[in-house]
This record gives sequence, structure tokens and C-alpha cells, in this order.
Amino acid sequence: DVVLTQTPPTLSATIGQSVSISCRSSQSLLHSNGNTYLNWLLQRPGQPPQLLIYLVSRLESGVPNRFSGSGSGTDFTLKISGVEAEDLGVYYCVQSTHAPWTFGGGTKLELK
Amino acid sequence: QVQLKESGPGLVQPSQTLSLTCTVSGFSLMDYSVHWVRQPPGKGLEWMGRMKYDGDTYYNSALKSRLSISRDTSKSQVFLKMNSLQTEDTAIYYCTRDGGRPHYWGQGVMVTVSS
Repeated sequence: DVVLTQTPPTLSATIGQSVSISCRSSQSLLHSNGNTYLNWLLQRPGQPPQLLIYLVSRLESGVPNRFSGSGSGTDFTLKISGVEAEDLGVYYCVQSTHAPWTFGGGTKLELK
Repeated sequence: QVQLKESGPGLVQPSQTLSLTCTVSGFSLMDYSVHWVRQPPGKGLEWMGRMKYDGDTYYNSALKSRLSISRDTSKSQVFLKMNSLQTEDTAIYYCTRDGGRPHYWGQGVMVTVSS
């Protein structure tokens, strides 16, 4: 199975600060159809996960554009340009290129 | 609109079988796959298995011997059954729709394994 390694495990930020989360895969996530099925989720406390970004960099409908995704192959990054209070929670990368789906270990974003 | 809702017992005794239902609306189970994902308290997400739109199933290799996923398309329901439950199976269990990405999630159902 594909292993996704997220760093850092915890991130402390002030409101307005820009932060980045890394997700590294044990193998390329480029599918034979040319797509890269790397997604980012946010899980707020007590809530189910919410899809933020899919196909590496496509913003899900309704997600603020302060969120952005980048990367290719095995290295991916989620950036938040100006953290807001509602962004606090745990971020997960998840790949759906190779069966089975696998998740990163999560990055907890908290207020400094 | 698209909705998924998990249901099942909140408490299961050790060694017993867990039965959960994911009831969906706003789409057909013959058009989209549905996955089961669980999350132990305070821990990360674990993929369990999926019911493909064509009826094919695929399981987490670590759970395969205990896990079964089925469906009733006429009732728009996907079922999860897992036997020989242990305390480490205590978790929130989610179902999620696969439209090329994990877009829609149910609210989850908390299952506690305890005597």
C-alpha cells in the first residue's frame, strides 16, 4: 500500500500567518490516465472530514481561495495564505490513485 | 442534494459482530462507489473498504478476514459487517462517496466495544 508521510505533525500559527503542510508519498501518485489523485481534507473538532482540494490543486466548491495545493509525483504541499480561526483542526492528505485509499497521519493546526 | 447517513449500535460487546448501515440519497449506488473509513478516538483516519458502483468489493488487507461490505441498491443502502470485535475497534465509522475524490461524508457513528 502507498504510505503518505505528513509533516509537521503539529503546526502553531497566529491569525494571518501563512503556513504549509507537506505530504510525501512512497510511490508516484500519477495515474495511468494522467491525473494525480492527491486530495486534502480538513477535520474540525467533532466534525467529519471536509474535502478542501482534489487533483493536487483544484479547490473544492465553497472553499476559500486562501487554500492552495501544489506538487507532483511524490511530493505535495498544502498552503494556507493567512490563517483564520475557522481553519483550526487536523489536515489530512489522502491518495486515491492506487487502491486502497491511504491517508497521511494528519497535521494539527492550532493557535499560537 | 447528496447525503450519507450511518446508523448502527453505539455499543458492541467484545467478540461480537458489528453491523452498520450507510443510507444514501441524492445519487445512485449504481453510479458511485461508497467507502467505509474509521477513526479511533484521538487518532487518524483508516480506510476499511469499498463497495464499487458495479457491486465489486475491496477490503483493507488488515481487516479482510473479519470484514464484509454489501448493498441493497433498491433501498440505497450499503452495509458493513465486521466480526470478532475487540476494544481497538472502538471508533467513529464514516461512509463516504467516491466521485474520483472523497467529496461527501456522513456525520459518522460512534461505536464503542466494551463489556
